[in-house]
Amino acid sequence: GENVEQHPSTLSVQEGDSAVIKCTYSDSASNYFPWYKQELGKGPQLIIDIRSNVGEKKDQRIAVTLNKTAKHFSLHITETQPEDSAVYFCAANRASGGSYIPTFGRGTSLIVHP
Amino acid sequence: KAGVTQTPRYLIKTRGQQVTLSCSPISGHRSVSWYQQTPGQGLQFLFEYFSETQRNKGNFPGRFSGRQFSNSRSEMNVSTLELGDSALYLCASSLNQRADEQYFGPGTRLTVT
Repeated sequence: GENVEQHPSTLSVQEGDSAVIKCTYSDSASNYFPWYKQELGKGPQLIIDIRSNVGEKKDQRIAVTLNKTAKHFSLHITETQPEDSAVYFCAANRASGGSYIPTFGRGTSLIVHP
Repeated sequence: KAGVTQTPRYLIKTRGQQVTLSCSPISGHRSVSWYQQTPGQGLQFLFEYFSETQRNKGNFPGRFSGRQFSNSRSEMNVSTLELGDSALYLCASSLNQRADEQYFGPGTRLTVT
C-alpha cells in the first residue's frame, strides 16, 4: 500500500521566516495531494492542494510544489506569523471507486516564535 | 453555512461495549468520510460514503462499520470496543463527487476504559 513520509516532525521558526515541510510517497498511482492545518482541539483544515498534472500552486503566503518523478511534494509558507503555529499534515490520494483513498503523513508541528 | 457537526464530542465507553458516532455534513455535501486519529498511528482513513453507498474502505477490522442516510448524514459504529480504539474520530464532507476538498468536523473523542 501507499506510504507517506513527512519531515521534519517539528519545525521552529521566527516570525517572518519561511517554513518548508516535505513529504515523499511511494505509490505512483497517487494523483491528489492536499495539505491540512490542524489547531489544538479542532479538526484538520484543508489549506491547499495540488493534482498530479500541476507542478506548483500558490495561494497568498502558501505554496505547494510537486515532483512526480521523484515522488515528493512540499509545502512552503512565507512570512510566517504566530497564528501559523499548528500541526500540518500532507496526504497522498489514490483514485478508487470514484473517490480517493488517502494516506497521511505523520504531521509536522510548526512553532512560529513572535 | 454551518460546518460539519459531530455528536457526541466526547464519549467514554468500557471495553466490550459498542458505540455509534454521528456526523452531519455541510448542507449540500453528499460525500462523507471517516478517519481515526491516534498519537501512535496518526490519521487513518476508515471509509467513505456517497449517496448511501460505501465506495472505499481503509484497513480496519470488521468491527468498524458505517452507513449513510438519504439526507447524507452518516453514522459509524464500533462493536466490541478495545482499549486501542481510544482515538479522535473525524468526519469530513465534500461537495465534489470525487470526495476531494474535504471539510472536517471537530471530531468525537472516544475513550475506552
